[in-house]
Amino acid sequence: IQLTQSPSLLSASVGDRVTLSCKGSQNINNYLAWYQQKLGEAPKLLIYNTNSLQTGIPSRFSGSGSGTDYTLTISSLQPEDVATYFCYQYNNGWTFGGGTKLELK
Amino acid sequence: AVQLVESGGGLVQPKESLKISCAASGFTFSNAAMYWVRQAPGKGLEWVARIRTKPNNYATYYADSVKGRFTISRDDSKSMVYLQMDNLKTEDTAMYYCTAGRELGYWGQGVMVTVSS
Repeated sequence: IQLTQSPSLLSASVGDRVTLSCKGSQNINNYLAWYQQKLGEAPKLLIYNTNSLQTGIPSRFSGSGSGTDYTLTISSLQPEDVATYFCYQYNNGWTFGGGTKLELK
Repeated sequence: AVQLVESGGGLVQPKESLKISCAASGFTFSNAAMYWVRQAPGKGLEWVARIRTKPNNYATYYADSVKGRFTISRDDSKSMVYLQMDNLKTEDTAMYYCTAGRELGYWGQGVMVTVSS
């Protein structure tokens, strides 16, 4: 399964609602996770099984989707959310998307 | 707290071998599938290998890009997972992360492997 993330670069302002997309080449059956990677750090799990929030992750992060189309939403962008975000499917093999780099406008 | 600590990275020449290690603590290692994920400089994440648990016969899986060259293994008695990398290529240059759990919930800090002549 191939994963396509869009956009590859997103500029937004503090307080904005931000939506990141991840599209699979086949049905992912909700086995989709999202990671945040800040510069120089290891990735951190945010969301798993499409919409389950990992322990300790702020509630402004949420996930949704089904079939081949999935979304990560940040309800109110904070400065510390500047990072690259990756989606990952574990339904059929294991594949990462190419990433969305989120920056402040 | 869960900790994954990688070691063994370095600079090697093409066609050489290298074995990297990951020491796990803070969770029941023997119950967890373990993975290696890599990231080339300035690039995205690439899933590399997976090893299942003893009840699943320590089954292993590999990305096509490393199949036949890399071998993942584990030692439950030491809570260690390894990646033996043979016939290394320049395109294997990357930060290698050890991760745990089906959703890759835990990550190490990574170890750098550079393949260059």
